[in-house]
Amino acid sequence: SAVISQKPSRDICQRGTSLTIQCQVDSQVTMMFWYRQQPGQSLTLIATANQGSEATYESGFVIDKFPISRPNLTFSTLTVSNMSPEDSSIYLCSVLLGDTQYFGPGTRLTVL
Amino acid sequence: GQQLNQSPQSMFIQEGEDVSMNCTSSSIFNTWLWYKQDPGEGPVLLIALYKAGELTSNGRLTAQFGITRKDSFLNISASIPSDVGIYFCALGGGPLGGATNKLIFGTGTLLAVQP
Repeated sequence: SAVISQKPSRDICQRGTSLTIQCQVDSQVTMMFWYRQQPGQSLTLIATANQGSEATYESGFVIDKFPISRPNLTFSTLTVSNMSPEDSSIYLCSVLLGDTQYFGPGTRLTVL
Repeated sequence: GQQLNQSPQSMFIQEGEDVSMNCTSSSIFNTWLWYKQDPGEGPVLLIALYKAGELTSNGRLTAQFGITRKDSFLNISASIPSDVGIYFCALGGGPLGGATNKLIFGTGTLLAVQP
């Protein structure tokens, strides 16, 4: 299994600002994913982040709004840029280890 | 786009009761997964199903991959208070058998267990 930590665990931000979320995993993994979970909703994939290549974004998500870094095999960041209240969500990273995706605890973001 | 329907949306049961929830998709997928999410946590994998017709158990949990590859159910027997949480089905493996590690999540089933 994989142990995943995220920072911050929660934050309250003002509209128009940006927040960078960090994801750290205790194993070297090739594939990492970022998901969004809006209040009371399911998880939606934002992008896939592989080390050494540009992140691949899903329909409805763009790099200017959600830039992602993947500097090594154990770490990734997701930035939520120019935030609005609609960005209030839980943001989760996950990693693929073997055939299984393991999820971090999430970052709960509230935008005022 | 892909339609993934999960039901029921919520369940309120007494401790000791059995629980059943299911998911149906509009396309064929190679992998059905069942996750549980506790408050303030990320989803945790409960059961993974890779073959049509496969029936798999994990303690009090049993899940089956439908033979049409478009549906799955999860049963929880003799529920206990710690079963409380949100249960999600998730699909992987792409329509028509295409390989992908992307997961599509169902809408979730909120389970509340009264002691």
